[in-house]
Amino acid sequence: DVKVTQSSRYLVKRTGEKVFLECVQDMDHENMFWYRQDPGLGLRLIYFSYDVKMKEKGDIPEGYSVSREKKERFSLILESASTNQTSMYLCASTAGPSNQPQHFGDGTRLSIL
Amino acid sequence: GESVGLHLPTLSVQEGDNSIINCAYSNSASDYFIWYKQESGKGPQFIIDIRSNMDKRQGQRVTVLLNKTVKHLSLQIAATQPGDSAVYFCAEGSVTGRRALTFGSGTRLQVQP
Repeated sequence: DVKVTQSSRYLVKRTGEKVFLECVQDMDHENMFWYRQDPGLGLRLIYFSYDVKMKEKGDIPEGYSVSREKKERFSLILESASTNQTSMYLCASTAGPSNQPQHFGDGTRLSIL
Repeated sequence: GESVGLHLPTLSVQEGDNSIINCAYSNSASDYFIWYKQESGKGPQFIIDIRSNMDKRQGQRVTVLLNKTVKHLSLQIAATQPGDSAVYFCAEGSVTGRRALTFGSGTRLQVQP
């Protein structure tokens, strides 16, 4: 089975800090995604990557950046954390961008104080 | 803009009954659809998918129906069990395109014993 691992289940940071969320997948998938999940809003795409060193903005990229230096790892970076970035963050990977199921990690619940 | 939506935010059923969760989509170019299940504290888990060249697809206790005429998708769960209690999402994508999946906001299924 595909394994998508997010480095932290819970994370508490302070406003203004630079925050790194890490995600690793073990199926050699080309495509990786970062979402945030908020009550009543569902999953919103922040960034995605089709290949190493490649990235594309999703629906809500403001305040975030990403890094894909290796195929198996996709990092989400909050350049200067703000309280409105408190959320559940989900990473996913898939062999095909939108024609195959995405496999999700269990999420990182991030609180910005 | 294009969106994927759900008719009912919460569905409560008795154990053993059949459940039907509905989803409306608005992007007529979408030709690939997925249902996910998300249990508390976990990431979304793939249940079943369907391509637009099909009207119906069956899995173990689940059936997905696609009505392209009215842009409607449904998930039927037979003999609903307490373990089926979760939030269910539909998502739409493109078999040939490279855009990422678009997710609905979710329906919570509560199974009463």
